[in-house]
Amino acid sequence: AQKVTQAQTEISVVEKEDVTLDCVYETRDTTYYLFWYKQPPSGELVFLIRRNSFDEQNEISGRYSWNFQKSTSSFNFTITASQVVDSAVYFCALKMWGNNDMRFGAGTRLTVKP
Amino acid sequence: GAGVSQTPSNKVTEKGKYVELRCDPISGHTALYWYRQSLGQGPEFLIYFQGTGAADDSGLPNDRFFAVRPEGSVSTLKIQRTERGDSAVYLCASSLVPSGLTDTQYFGPGTRLTVL
Repeated sequence: AQKVTQAQTEISVVEKEDVTLDCVYETRDTTYYLFWYKQPPSGELVFLIRRNSFDEQNEISGRYSWNFQKSTSSFNFTITASQVVDSAVYFCALKMWGNNDMRFGAGTRLTVKP
Repeated sequence: GAGVSQTPSNKVTEKGKYVELRCDPISGHTALYWYRQSLGQGPEFLIYFQGTGAADDSGLPNDRFFAVRPEGSVSTLKIQRTERGDSAVYLCASSLVPSGLTDTQYFGPGTRLTVL
């Protein structure tokens, strides 16, 4: 079975705090892709990152960083020095090579307070 | 450039009515997907088009749901005899290359469907 679990339903932080959003996935496939999307209040899903199963290098993009660990089937997302504009629902998703559907987690609602 | 667009942004209908939801993908994108997002949940796959044909409709919940993409660009999701349980946000996404190559999917703003 393919499944994505985002155990944190809601997180609230104060501006400038660092915050990590957890994502744990399940798949028996060896070739797969992991994604993070941001869904601000406007509703549109915004692509943040894609990572394939053969690339475990961590990635940093500005204040965002991602930690991919196959040993624990996790693909966690950290926002450093959070800002109010980071407030949104964040989704982790899994897509197996050769499959057409992306499996999304239930999302984590992040609220950053000034 | 222009992203994925969806119309209408909101649709309110009565139980039993027929609705059509439209998706205009990013120009040049060959793959098109429909997802449904219920309140508090992540999007769930409905159907995938590669070009004009529905390559995978395994996510459609029942035969009241149907989608077309006659010219390989714009797609229409059609729901017959709507039920209250169909109320959700319907999202469309497109990607440059076929699904098997797992290109990134870019999403539209969605259509919020409310069935009274």
